[in-house]
Order: sequence, then C-alpha cells, then structure tokens
Amino acid sequence: DTEVTQTPKHLVMGMTNKKSLKCEQHMGHRAMYWYKQKAKKPPELMFVYSYEKLSINESVPSRFSPECPNSSLLNLHLHALQPEDSALYLCASSQDFLSVGYGYTFGSGTRLTVV
Amino acid sequence: GEDVEQSLFLSVREGDSSVINCTYTDSSSTYLYWYKQEPGAGLQLLTYIFSNMDMKQDQRLTVLLNKKDKHLSLRIADTQTGDSAIYFCAESSNTGGFKTIFGAGTRLFVKA
Repeated sequence: DTEVTQTPKHLVMGMTNKKSLKCEQHMGHRAMYWYKQKAKKPPELMFVYSYEKLSINESVPSRFSPECPNSSLLNLHLHALQPEDSALYLCASSQDFLSVGYGYTFGSGTRLTVV
Repeated sequence: GEDVEQSLFLSVREGDSSVINCTYTDSSSTYLYWYKQEPGAGLQLLTYIFSNMDMKQDQRLTVLLNKKDKHLSLRIADTQTGDSAIYFCAESSNTGGFKTIFGAGTRLFVKA
C-alpha cells in the first residue's frame, strides 16, 4: 500500500461546529504532516509528527488541534473556525523526519469550507 | 529565510518539450524535488535530486541542477495534454529540521 488516505474529501462546517479530518497511511512511515493550501498558493506547513510526537507547530491557531493516535493515523480536530480557514488540507508522510530525501507522499486532501 | 522561486505560467504545444525553471536561496539545500498537482488533487512526487548530482533522468523527465547558480529545471519531453497541471519545485535541508519549502508553483498548459 503506497497511499495516504484522507477523509472526508469535502467538508462544510459552520463557525460553531466541531469536526475532525482524518489521515491514514500503511507504508510504515514515521513522519506525518498537515499542510494547508489556499487556492493558487503552495502548501503551507502546519504540523509535523515524528514517531507519534509533535515535532513542529508552525504557530498554528489553537482552533486547529492535531492528534497522532498511532503510527498510521493522524487527525486534525477543528473547532470555532473562521471563513478564512477555508482551504484544501493536505496530509503527507515520509519515511522519517530526518530522512526526507525521498520526498513526501501526499493524500488527495480535504476541501474545507467554513460558512 | 529560505525561498524558492519559479515562474507562474508556461504554455506549450502537445509534442513539444516543456522546461520549468526554479531558483532557490538556501545554499545548504540537500534535496530538491518536483511535485505535480492536478486540479482538486494532492501533490504527487515526480522526481527528486540530491545536491551532489547534476542531472537525473526518469523516462520523459530530466532534472538539471546548477548548484553554483542555485538553479533547478524540469524538462518534460513529448509533452502531453495529461501533463497539464501545477508543478511545484521544493527544497529541504537540515536548516530548521529538514522542513520542505515549496515554490509558488508553475501552471503548465498544454495545447492540443
């Protein structure tokens, strides 16, 4: 299995809702990432998990809360989002954080719309 | 900080070669990548090159690296309409813990 699977593919949520994005990989990768991508922009790093521990938080607002329950799963919990948080949220994985030479495997993303 | 720059748009005719260029600023860049993103999809790693290499070829793709000028290019031979996508140049180094920095992306449009 050489894929990163993200669910749901599309999500519409109100500003008072709580929702979660899910990401799963079975490649034995030990680093997992959340990126945010606005239209016509490159992906922006949000969080990095290495060996199930949070390694990098790029000053992301607390309304985004990541969680790594095990080495295959990565969640992003959303609460009290703003309309400007609407974007494509991409999950990625790599063999480990210090060996990114072979690049990332990205999921197809969750298209989030905050209304 | 580190920066990766690339032109935003390229239009070619089907069957021609496409060359997408990228420059980067981090002289300690260890790995350089090309990713492809089709509409509504995630990024797909096309190819990568280590900083101690000058060239890498993989079927229709040729990557050239000029480390002195910090210039990376991706050549796609015999470009097809299915190659229409956004191509992101990216680099990573051990500056700041091997974070990967992406360029703004080059939108390739292939005319039939």
